[in-house]
Amino acid sequence: GAVVSQHPSRVICKSGTSVKIECRSLDFQATTMFWYRQFPKQSLMLMATSNEGSKATYEQGVEKDKFLINHASLTLSTLTVTSAHPEDSSFYICSARDMRVQGYTFGSGTRLTVV
Amino acid sequence: TQLLEQSPQFLSIQEGENLTVYCNSSSVFSSLQWYRQEPGEGPVLLVTVVTGGEVKKLKRLTFQFGDARKDSSLHITAAQPGDTGLYLCAGDRNAGNMLTFGGGTRLMVKP
Repeated sequence: GAVVSQHPSRVICKSGTSVKIECRSLDFQATTMFWYRQFPKQSLMLMATSNEGSKATYEQGVEKDKFLINHASLTLSTLTVTSAHPEDSSFYICSARDMRVQGYTFGSGTRLTVV
Repeated sequence: TQLLEQSPQFLSIQEGENLTVYCNSSSVFSSLQWYRQEPGEGPVLLVTVVTGGEVKKLKRLTFQFGDARKDSSLHITAAQPGDTGLYLCAGDRNAGNMLTFGGGTRLMVKP
């Protein structure tokens, strides 16, 4: 079945530094990938839609200069949290849709802690 | 206000009991999916329903899509501790362009 690999699974960084999270579709090509943020005990909130070869589409209230998305190939999208602050600490999850299945496949998530 | 209202938000039951989780919206969806998520992991797809009135079964789990494709339910029979987790419904309005999640139902099944 469709597999989406996300790493790192956990990262701790200092305030002011940048962190890159990778999301790869392992056995299928994904022209579109999605990035979500999830706060403790809450549901997933869509941050942006990553489009291969073009600019990402950001949801209202999400700073595009803060959360840089690059989708340079059909199997890889990256999310870079720039100048991270403690309030950016969260669980970030990516997903992609394999057209062979009805549904979306999610990565295992990245727990970001900014200290 | 969420596009998809999921209820209940929390549910704590004893092993062997039955339960139903509801997912309601005023919008029509081309498909609706149910996911289960465990702590520290990404959501895992359980089922996708596409046709109004559709019923799908996955072992002890029964999923139903409303006739008007605006709501769905998940029924678990004889719940087991292994069913514990966060259950999320998600609607696809534009056939693959974007997924909207409900608020989630946190289920705990006590042995």
